[in-house]
Amino acid sequence: AQSVTQPDIHITVSEGASLELRCNYSYGATPYLFWYVQSPGQGLQLLLKYFSGDTLVQGIKGFEAEFKRSQSSFNLRKPSVHWSDAAEYFCAVGAGRDDKIIFGKGTRLHILP
Amino acid sequence: EAGVVQSPRYKIIEKKQPVAFWCNPISGHNTLYWYLQNLGQGPELLIRYENEEAVDDSQLPKDRFSAERLKGVDSTLKIQPAELGDSAVYLCASSSSSYEQYFGPGTRLTVT
Repeated sequence: AQSVTQPDIHITVSEGASLELRCNYSYGATPYLFWYVQSPGQGLQLLLKYFSGDTLVQGIKGFEAEFKRSQSSFNLRKPSVHWSDAAEYFCAVGAGRDDKIIFGKGTRLHILP
Repeated sequence: EAGVVQSPRYKIIEKKQPVAFWCNPISGHNTLYWYLQNLGQGPELLIRYENEEAVDDSQLPKDRFSAERLKGVDSTLKIQPAELGDSAVYLCASSSSSYEQYFGPGTRLTVT
């Protein structure tokens, strides 16, 4: 069965600094991979997704992620964070024909002014 | 285009009381999902509908939870009776194509 690990529960970065959130997945074949963001009191918003093709994926709000099969990773990056990026970030993996998505436990991003 | 609508946004009830949550998906989205999100956790699927058919309810605790999507559009999730451990956020999502899920703002349930 597929699973997702986000090793960092909390991450704190200064505004303007670069960001990398880690995500490792477990799945036997090529997975579908996602990053979602959840602001306080809000639902989840899709930042980007990887299905196939180019392993570097561009998303909304200046985010990108890179699929590395050899490391079973799909890390999220942003070159310069803004205070509005403070939120909870969820990595997710989808696999199989039933469109089921498994979410990680999330990483809460804090931004220092 | 309107997003996924959920109501109520917040609900506080005493244990053993019933509660219901409503979801209206994005127009034209045939697939509807209900997720449970506990504090500090990612969403976990409770039930998935394709039109009015529940195609995956394996994670729905059927002794106290029920759901319906009678006309293949909006959906209701019910808990009866609620327990303290049911306190969580209940998220609804919809999609028109594989894996492209759009989430509503959720209903935060507090059981006292």
